[in-house]
This record gives sequence, structure tokens and C-alpha cells, in this order.
Amino acid sequence: DAKTTQPTSMDCAEGRAANLPCNHSTISGNEYVYWYRQIHSQGPQYIIHGLKNNETNEMASLIITEDRKSSTLILPHATLRDTAVYYCIVRVARGTASKLTFGTGTRLQVTL
Amino acid sequence: NAGVTQTPKFQVLKTGQSMTLQCAQDMNHEYMSWYRQDPGMGLRLIHYSVGAGITDQGEVPNGYNVSRSTTEDFPLRLLSAAPSQTSVYFCASSSEREPRHLSYGYTFGSGTRLTVV
Repeated sequence: DAKTTQPTSMDCAEGRAANLPCNHSTISGNEYVYWYRQIHSQGPQYIIHGLKNNETNEMASLIITEDRKSSTLILPHATLRDTAVYYCIVRVARGTASKLTFGTGTRLQVTL
Repeated sequence: NAGVTQTPKFQVLKTGQSMTLQCAQDMNHEYMSWYRQDPGMGLRLIHYSVGAGITDQGEVPNGYNVSRSTTEDFPLRLLSAAPSQTSVYFCASSSEREPRHLSYGYTFGSGTRLTVV
């Protein structure tokens, strides 16, 4: 699976959009981009995933560049409860070897 | 509620003791896995299973055994606990054959905090 690079930490004011970047320059054609978050030692929580098109769900939006070498997770209106470590993961498509490889993630601190 | 259940939530072991961390899911997921998380680090894969009767090693399998006799259960066994195995352990499951659905992602349990003294 491709390796990802994320900033160690970021701050965001409550109510503002939080934009979390991820570089995955060695991503291959059959690898998806996944985002998870982990709130204060709880189990990681799935947020969103995508292959090449931008995706949106009730939690967030995922913007993937045209060359797929980077992506951005957008929390449109961050709240204090969004304070967490966010992991960007790339992995092979479903139906094949199913392993999630986590890096160290980005610690997002949402402040008043 | 459907989900991944881990027991116990906390455990203290003496060096050399053995124990089994339990993981059960009621979502009929085929894929299950165990991760450990150490302070300041991401999650590292220990073992995983793509279905009953099938297991494979992850990134850090040494010192751990797993078995998958049923779809629902995926216990992790520590054969002879060592202080280096002090960590938080997470179990996760996923359905690999459902179409686009929220459970297409992985569902994690709430973790077992293990201390080996």
C-alpha cells in the first residue's frame, strides 16, 4: 500500500472549515483514499473514502487532485467535538488483500 | 446496537502470563483484524482474517496468536506476556462484499488497555 504524509498537527477555530491535507504521491490506480479519525483513545472512526472523484457525506468532503497524488479532507463547520487525530490511508480496492496501514496522522485541535 | 465488542476493557498481567483478548462482531462481517496502538504512534496491524478458518500475519505478529473458528469471533491470544506488549489493542471488522455503504469502512471496537508488569 502507498505511503501517506500528513502534517503532525493543525488548529482550527470553531465554526470554520478544517482542511486537512494528505500527500500520497506513490498511490497506484487501484488504491482508494480513506480517512479515519480517533477521538481521545477511542477506536478509530471511519469518515469517508474515494477513488478519484470528490466525495461528500454527512460528516465531511474529500477532494482528490486530478493526478491523485494528494487529497484534502474538509470538515465544513468544525466543532469542539471534531478535535481528534485524523488518519489518511491508501489501500487496495475491496475484494483483495484487506489491510489498513495507519500512519501517525494529523492532530486537529478545534478551539473557541 | 450492532458493532464490535471487545473484552476486557482493562487488564493488568504479570510478565510470562498468558491471556486472550476477546473480539466479537454481529454484523456478519467477513474481515476482522487486530491492531495495537502505542503512545504517540498510529495503529499497527497484528493479525487479520478474511473469513472463518483463514488468518494471516500483519506488521507486528510476534508474541500473538489468533484463530477464527466462527465469523463472529476473532480472539487474540498473548502466549507469554512481556512488558513490550503494554499497549491499547483495537479490534476491527469490515464487510468487503457490500456495495457502497457506510459499513464499507472499518468498524473498530472501543479497545482493550493492557499493562504488563
